[in-house]
Amino acid sequence: GEDVEQSLFLSVREGDSSVINCTYTDSSSTYLYWYKQEPGAGLQLLTYIFSNMDMKQDQRLTVLLNKKDKHLSLRIADTQTGDSAIYFCAEGTGNAGNMLTFGGGTRLMVKP
Amino acid sequence: GAGVSQTPSNKVTEKGKYVELRCDPISGHTALYWYRQSLGQGPEFLIYFQGTGAADDSGLPNDRFFAVRPEGSVSTLKIQRTERGDSAVYLCASSLIGTDTQYFGPGTRLTVL
Repeated sequence: GEDVEQSLFLSVREGDSSVINCTYTDSSSTYLYWYKQEPGAGLQLLTYIFSNMDMKQDQRLTVLLNKKDKHLSLRIADTQTGDSAIYFCAEGTGNAGNMLTFGGGTRLMVKP
Repeated sequence: GAGVSQTPSNKVTEKGKYVELRCDPISGHTALYWYRQSLGQGPEFLIYFQGTGAADDSGLPNDRFFAVRPEGSVSTLKIQRTERGDSAVYLCASSLIGTDTQYFGPGTRLTVL
C-alpha cells in the first residue's frame, strides 16, 4: 500500500535555510503536495509539483522531486519564526489521483 | 472569498452516542473530501464525493461511519455508537473538480469520553 515518510523534527536558526524531506511509494502519483499546519489551525496548501517536473520555485519555497528515488524535498530560504509549524507532504493516489496520502509531518522549529 | 467551513469546531460526546459533523465547501466546488487526523499523525483519507455521490469511500474504517451530500454542496459525516478511538480532528476539504487542488477547512475536534 501507499506509505509516505518524513522525519519528525527539524530545528533551524532564523535566517538559515530549512530543508524538509519526504519519501513516497506510489510511482503513479500525478501530483505531490506540501501543506503547512500551525497549532490549532487547518492545513494550508503551500505548493505542489507535477510528477513530470524536477523542480518548482515559488518565492522562498523550492520543491525538488527525484522521481527515480521517490524523494521529495521542500527548501525554505531565509527561514523566519513565522515558519514554525508542522509540514506535511502528500501524494495524490487513488483512481483519479485525488485521494491524498499524507506523511506523518515534520515539526519545524525556528530559533531567533 | 469564503473558505471551507466546518461545524462544530469542537464536539465532546460520550461513548456510544451518535454525532454529526458538518462541512460547507467552497462555493462551486464539486468535489468534497473527509479526512481524519489523530494526534501526532498526518490526515488519513475517509471518503470522497463528486457531486452528490460517494465516488470513493474506501477509507471509512467501519460501518459506524457514514457520510452524505444530498444536494452536492454541504456534507455531513455521521458516526454511530462512538468509541474512544474515534477521538480525532475530522477535516473536510473541497476542490473545484476531482483532480484539482484540495483546500481544507479548520476541522472539527471530536472527543469521545
